[in-house]
Amino acid sequence: DAKTTQPPSMDCAEGRAANLPCNHSTISGNEYVYWYRQIHSQGPQYIIHGLKNNETNEMASLIITEDRKSSTLILPHATLRDTAVYYCIVRVYGGSQGNLIFGKGTKLSVKP
Amino acid sequence: DTAVSQTPKYLVTQMGNDKSIKCEQNLGHDTMYWYKQDSKKFLKIMFSYNNKELIINETVPNRFSPKSPDKAHLNLHINSLELGDSAVYFCASSHTVGRDNEQFFGPGTRLTVL
Repeated sequence: DAKTTQPPSMDCAEGRAANLPCNHSTISGNEYVYWYRQIHSQGPQYIIHGLKNNETNEMASLIITEDRKSSTLILPHATLRDTAVYYCIVRVYGGSQGNLIFGKGTKLSVKP
Repeated sequence: DTAVSQTPKYLVTQMGNDKSIKCEQNLGHDTMYWYKQDSKKFLKIMFSYNNKELIINETVPNRFSPKSPDKAHLNLHINSLELGDSAVYFCASSHTVGRDNEQFFGPGTRLTVL
């Protein structure tokens, strides 16, 4: 699976949009971008995934650049409960092994 | 209803002991996983089972033995516990490979070896 690069930490004001970047310059054509987050002392939680088109669900939006070498996870109205470590993971969709390779992630702190 | 549950939540034990952590999922998934998160917060895959068969076994000491009595359960047995085994262990499950296999994680078991 391709490696990803994320900033170690970010701050965001409550109610504002949180934009979390991820670089994955070595991504292959059949690899998807997945985002998970881990709130303190809890298990990781799936957020969203995409291949090349922008995706949106009830939690977030995922913007993938045209060359697919980077992406941005957007939390449109961040709340204090969104404070967590966010992981950007690149892997083959329905990959034969299925396991997730977690990097260091971005620690997002949402402040009042 | 809890989707992926683990017991116990906390486990404190002495070096050399044998312990087990249980995991159950009620999502109808075919694949289950064990991950280890160490003190530096790195999450790493340990094992993966698909339909009760082992499909991933990362470089994990033989002291760790997963057991899957059925598709809904994947237990982790650890023999001769060592100080370095102290970590948070997460169980996860997903649909079988080849489908949209978003993984659902349990709440974790914090193991402390004294």
